[in-house]
Amino acid sequence: AQSVAQPEDQVNVAEGNPLTVKCTYSVSGNPYLFWYVQYPNRGLQFLLKYITGDNLVKGSYGFEAEFNKSQTSFHLKKPSALVSDSALYFCAVRANTGFQKLVFGTGTRLLVSP
Amino acid sequence: NAGVTQTPKFRILKIGQSMTLQCAQDMNHNYMYWYRQDPGMGLKLIYYSVGAGITDKGEVPNGYNVSRSTTEDFPLRLELAAPSQTSVYFCASSRQASNQPQHFGDGTRLSIL
Repeated sequence: AQSVAQPEDQVNVAEGNPLTVKCTYSVSGNPYLFWYVQYPNRGLQFLLKYITGDNLVKGSYGFEAEFNKSQTSFHLKKPSALVSDSALYFCAVRANTGFQKLVFGTGTRLLVSP
Repeated sequence: NAGVTQTPKFRILKIGQSMTLQCAQDMNHNYMYWYRQDPGMGLKLIYYSVGAGITDKGEVPNGYNVSRSTTEDFPLRLELAAPSQTSVYFCASSRQASNQPQHFGDGTRLSIL
């Protein structure tokens, strides 16, 4: 069975500082990994994905994520946080064999203070 | 460029009533999904469809039904609404390959009183 853990309910960071939102996963075989962002009263928006290849993946709005197979992690990062990055972030995983359902973490609220 | 459109945006139902949540996409995606989002619980898959005429249960299908008569539309039916179905419902669609991201609508906020 697939599962995702986002160990932090909330992450607080000052504007201009680097941010990290943590995600670990469990899946049989190799994973497809995704990050989504949700702003208030909106649906989830795709940020980036890891399929194969380079472990550092770059996505929208200056975000990037590092895939670490040995630690089964896919942490979301940004070098310099903006107040407008404040939102709810979801990590998701599916196995890369056949049709597998996408499993979401419980979400991490990012609060960037001015 | 509408993407995934959900209607209505908000609805209040009484216990025992029924309703249909509408979802339409204009990206010609074969795959469509219905999720519910409860606070602190992430998203739970209710039903999904891999093409017109083909649907299957997800993680939490009880109390819901779906149909997929066209590629564009994937309505979700609630029969005999219960307070436990108070939630935010999201529809999503994706291309066929599993490595493709899902595109989400803005949700329907449903309260059962």
